[in-house]
Amino acid sequence: DIQMTQSPSALSASAGDRVTITCRASQSISTYLNWYQQKPGKAPKVLIHDASSLQDGVPARFSGSGSGTDFTLTISSLQPEDYATYYCQQSYSSPYTFGQGTTLEIK
Amino acid sequence: QVQLQESGPGLVKPSETLSLTCTVSGGSVSSDGYYWSWIRQSPGKGLEWIGYVYHTGSTNYNPSLRGRLTISVSTSNNQFSLNLTSVTAADTAVYYCARYLTFVTKVPYYDYWGRGILVTVSS
Repeated sequence: DIQMTQSPSALSASAGDRVTITCRASQSISTYLNWYQQKPGKAPKVLIHDASSLQDGVPARFSGSGSGTDFTLTISSLQPEDYATYYCQQSYSSPYTFGQGTTLEIK
Repeated sequence: QVQLQESGPGLVKPSETLSLTCTVSGGSVSSDGYYWSWIRQSPGKGLEWIGYVYHTGSTNYNPSLRGRLTISVSTSNNQFSLNLTSVTAADTAVYYCARYLTFVTKVPYYDYWGRGILVTVSS
């Protein structure tokens, strides 16, 4: 199985801050990497697919980059509605594993 | 707008079978290019891919659950289902059904999810 490791596990930030979350794969996955946002009691929602493609309807302050084993999700200017848990997920090979999540908290 | 809705018992006894159904509306499980998936999330934990089924009946399962797991599709009812046998407390989780989109971009992703259903394994 491909292991996905996110860092940090939790992050405190203020509105307006620039935030970066990192995801590392245990082997190369090209750009077969997606990012999801999950709010308490809700299902995850896709933000970024194919490492850097913004899903329709997702604000442009979200961006993704990376290939191979190292990936980042960046929020350029944090908004109140962005406080949530973020997961990376690889679609390179089955089983399609997720990172353990990064919880973004209000500072 | 595609919608998915999980249904089934919220409480299952240890050693029994967990059975869930996902009903799809606003779209068809028979459409090419979509893999109908189950994903679970244990309380306070991350997300675990369980497996998926294609409209042809072809399946792919997480090896950690293989041997206990069956995922099937009913095109006539526009539903797909999960059966997990010999459950233990470790199977307690929120179970999500989701659509895995494979043909729009190079990289497949989950574009629609159900709201999730909490299943507790307890006597």
